[in-house]
Amino acid sequence: QKEVEQDPGPLSVPEGAIVSLNCTYSNSAFQYFMWYRQYSRKGPELLMYTYSSGNKEDGRFTAQVDKSSKYISLFIRDSQPSDSATYLCAKYSGGSNYKLTFGKGTLLTVNP
Amino acid sequence: DGGITQSPKYLFRKEGQNVTLSCEQNLNHDAMYWYRQDPGQGLRLIYYSQIVNDFQKGDIAEGYSVSREKKESFPLTVTSAQKNPTAFYLCASSIEGTAYNEQFFGPGTRLTVL
Repeated sequence: QKEVEQDPGPLSVPEGAIVSLNCTYSNSAFQYFMWYRQYSRKGPELLMYTYSSGNKEDGRFTAQVDKSSKYISLFIRDSQPSDSATYLCAKYSGGSNYKLTFGKGTLLTVNP
Repeated sequence: DGGITQSPKYLFRKEGQNVTLSCEQNLNHDAMYWYRQDPGQGLRLIYYSQIVNDFQKGDIAEGYSVSREKKESFPLTVTSAQKNPTAFYLCASSIEGTAYNEQFFGPGTRLTVL
C-alpha cells in the first residue's frame, strides 16, 4: 500500500461550485499534511498545511484531516477558473531526512 | 529576487547521451531535492541532499547522479542507463527547522529523448 493515495481525476466543475479533493494515507505516526497547487508547466507551490488532525481555513480553502479514517481533504468554496490546476497532497513524518511523500495529484478544471 | 532557477526549460537528448540539468537557489536553504513527474504519477523523489558534499538516494535513483559541491547548486545528471528519461524534472529546496518542511520548487525542466 502506498503511503499517500490520491484519486488522479480529472475533475471538472462549473464556476462557483464547491470542490472536494481527497487523499488517504497509511502510517499513523506524527505528521504534517500539505496541499500543493501546480499550474500547468510550473513547479508546485504550497497552498496549505495542517498538523495531524482538525481543520484549517484560509479564505476559500479549507484543509481537513480525519485521523480515524486516515483521510485528508481540501475544500474549495466558490471555485474560480483561476483555481484550475493540479492539486497534490503530501505528508511529512518528521525526522531527520526531510522527505515529503506526495500523492499522484488531481487535475481540476473550473469552467466559466 | 530569491528563488530557485532551473535550466534549461526544455532539453532534448539523443538516446545514449548523458545530460545535466541545472538547479540553483539563492534562498540559503540547506536541503535540496530532485523529483521526476510523469503524467498520472505525481512527484517521485530521485535524490536529496541535506548538506554540502552529502546526498542520499530517493525512491528512483537508478540511472541518475548528483553532486552538491556548493550550498546553492544541486545539478542532476541523467545518464544513458536511465531507461525512460522523458519526463518533467523538478528541483526543490527547504530550510532546516520548519516543523512541516515546506519545499520551494523551481519551474522545472522538460526532458525529451529523441
